[in-house]
Amino acid sequence: DQQVKQNSPSLSVQEGRISILNCDYTNSMFDYFLWYKKYPAEGPTFLISISSIKDKNEDGRFTVFLNKSAKHLSLHIVPSQPGDSAVYFCAANGGSQGNLIFGKGTKLSVKP
Amino acid sequence: ETGVTQTPRHLVMGMTNKKSLKCEQHLGHNAMYWYKQSAKKPLELMFVYNFKEQTENNSVPSRFSPECPNSSHLFLHLHTLQPEDSALYLCASSQTSGGRWEQFFGPGTRLTVL
Repeated sequence: DQQVKQNSPSLSVQEGRISILNCDYTNSMFDYFLWYKKYPAEGPTFLISISSIKDKNEDGRFTVFLNKSAKHLSLHIVPSQPGDSAVYFCAANGGSQGNLIFGKGTKLSVKP
Repeated sequence: ETGVTQTPRHLVMGMTNKKSLKCEQHLGHNAMYWYKQSAKKPLELMFVYNFKEQTENNSVPSRFSPECPNSSHLFLHLHTLQPEDSALYLCASSQTSGGRWEQFFGPGTRLTVL
């Protein structure tokens, strides 16, 4: 059973608007969450992270929100740009070895 | 070179071949990882090495054999693979101290087993 779920396989957004990517998790012991971005033929690139002691972390156009009671996090990109078109993976720390558990990813398409 | 590098980028092999994937990290990290990414599946963790010691083997078939000679290099030896092993194999590294869990990935090796 998946512990990290990204229920939307794809999302299409107009350039300049907000993109919201969602992620749910099942294990309340997870205390650190990350978002990665992946272009075709490249490895995932770390984007932004959040610790469970916070409910928001912002870095430029990217903001991650964490709702621990709902076991839900979201990534907001505003304004969205065509270069943001990629697959976005949500991940959670899976143990003391630093192992990450990934969701299946959401493919974001930002249309000019 | 900076970051995490992987060679080769593409590999086609028959089921009876033996080949190796190589990963090198230039970030001074202590942990290295092998992941498998198949179509429409999450990244699957295969192996974890921490200070050259294997700390996790995620029920990976023995036809995949990892080797970590030092904290900067990681290999994945492949033999008698099956067509369903065709996938993108990703290497990553991280620094596991300090309470941060970011892993940094290489570009991957696209493996096709005929």
